[in-house]
Amino acid sequence: GENVEQHPSTLSVQEGDSAVIKCTYSDSASNYFPWYKQELGKGPQLIIDIRSNVGEKKDQRIAVTLNKTAKHFSLHITETQPEDSAVYFCAATPSGYSTLTFGKGTMLLVSP
Amino acid sequence: EAGVTQSPTHLIKTRGQQATLRCSPISGHTSVYWYQQALGLGLQFLLWYDEGEERNRGNFPPRFSGRQFPNYSSELNVNALELEDSALYLCASSLDIFTDTQYFGPGTRLTVL
Repeated sequence: GENVEQHPSTLSVQEGDSAVIKCTYSDSASNYFPWYKQELGKGPQLIIDIRSNVGEKKDQRIAVTLNKTAKHFSLHITETQPEDSAVYFCAATPSGYSTLTFGKGTMLLVSP
Repeated sequence: EAGVTQSPTHLIKTRGQQATLRCSPISGHTSVYWYQQALGLGLQFLLWYDEGEERNRGNFPPRFSGRQFPNYSSELNVNALELEDSALYLCASSLDIFTDTQYFGPGTRLTVL
C-alpha cells in the first residue's frame, strides 16, 4: 500500500518569511495529492490539491509542486502570517476507488 | 451550504463499553469516510461507505464497524472499548465513489477511561 512521509515535523518561521513542507510517497500509481490545514480543535480543511498531470499549482500565497519522477511534492507558503499557524497534512492516493494516505503532519508556528 | 457535521462533539466512555458516533455528509455527497486521529499518529483510515455499502476498510480490528443510511448519513460503532481507542474520530465526505476530494467534519473526541 501507499506510504507517505512528511518533513519537517515542526517548523517555526517569522511573520513574512516563507515556509516549505515536503512529502514523499511510495506508490507510483498515486496521482492525487491534497494538502490540509488543521487548526486547534477543528477538523482538517482542504487548502490546495494537485493532480499528476500538472507540476505546480498556485492559490494566492499557497503553492504546491509535484515531482512524479522523484515521488515527492511540497507545499510552499509565502508571506506567512500568524493565522497560518496550524498543523498541515499532506496526503496521496491513486485516483478513483481509493482512500487517502496521510503524512504525520507538520506543526507550523508563525511568530509576529 | 452546510459542511460535514458530526455528533457528539465529545464522548466519554469506560473500558469495555460501546461508542456510537454519527456523521452527516455535505448535501449531495454519497461517500463517507471515517478516520482515527490519535495523538502523534496522524490520520489513520478506518472505513469508507458509498451508497450504503462498505467500500474499503483500514487496518483496524472488527470491533470497529459502521453503516451508512439511505440518506447517506453514517455511524461508526466501536465495541469493547480499550484505552487506546481514545482519539479524535473524523468523518469526511466526497461527491461520489469516483471523486477524490474529501471534506472533513469537526470530529468527535472519544475519551476512554
